[in-house]
Amino acid sequence: GAVVSQHPSRVICKSGTSVKIECRSLDFQATTMFWYRQFPKQSLMLMATSNEGSKATYEQGVEKDKFLINHASLTLSTLTVTSAHPEDSSFYICSVTGGGRSYEQYFGPGTRLTVT
Amino acid sequence: SQQGEEDPQALSIQEGENATMNCSYKTSINNLQWYRQNSGRGLVHLILIRSNEREKHSGRLRVTLDTSKKSSSLLITASRAADTASYFCATGRGNTPLVFGKGTRLSVIA
Repeated sequence: GAVVSQHPSRVICKSGTSVKIECRSLDFQATTMFWYRQFPKQSLMLMATSNEGSKATYEQGVEKDKFLINHASLTLSTLTVTSAHPEDSSFYICSVTGGGRSYEQYFGPGTRLTVT
Repeated sequence: SQQGEEDPQALSIQEGENATMNCSYKTSINNLQWYRQNSGRGLVHLILIRSNEREKHSGRLRVTLDTSKKSSSLLITASRAADTASYFCATGRGNTPLVFGKGTRLSVIA
């Protein structure tokens, strides 16, 4: 399966600052990547679908101006949390789809964001 | 919106016992996947079962799928302390994003 990395693995930032999280598909050209958010002891909630070369599709309730997604290449998607607030503190996980009929998704290791 | 619902939400068993977790979903799917997540870590893919399959095995894992009841079960046999984790089912249709259930927190006591 695809190998997916995320950087950074942990980040602490102050309220009002912006944080960029990178998701890289190391051995697979991913036209589509997904961004999920997971609050403590809860499940993963899809935030947006990132499409290479086009605008991301956001789920209902996710502010596109707050969570900026850029998918400029087939191996990299970035999620920027702008003007971060403590309530944005969460675990952010990206995934890539295998494409075709494989149906599997390959997940990155996640990024723990703490906003103070 | 969240589709899968795992049952139970938490499960505590002794090492060596079997652990069974159930998952129900609402809409039609073409595959269902189970993942494991250790505390604060990423997801580990365990097994994928397609909608035309009824049962699948992988090592100590056994997954069943009943599309008529829109339910699946994950059985871990001969559990070990290292199996302690949260387990999520996720449903998919083609290459749309997976929809995750709330998860079952499994504790295996040595």
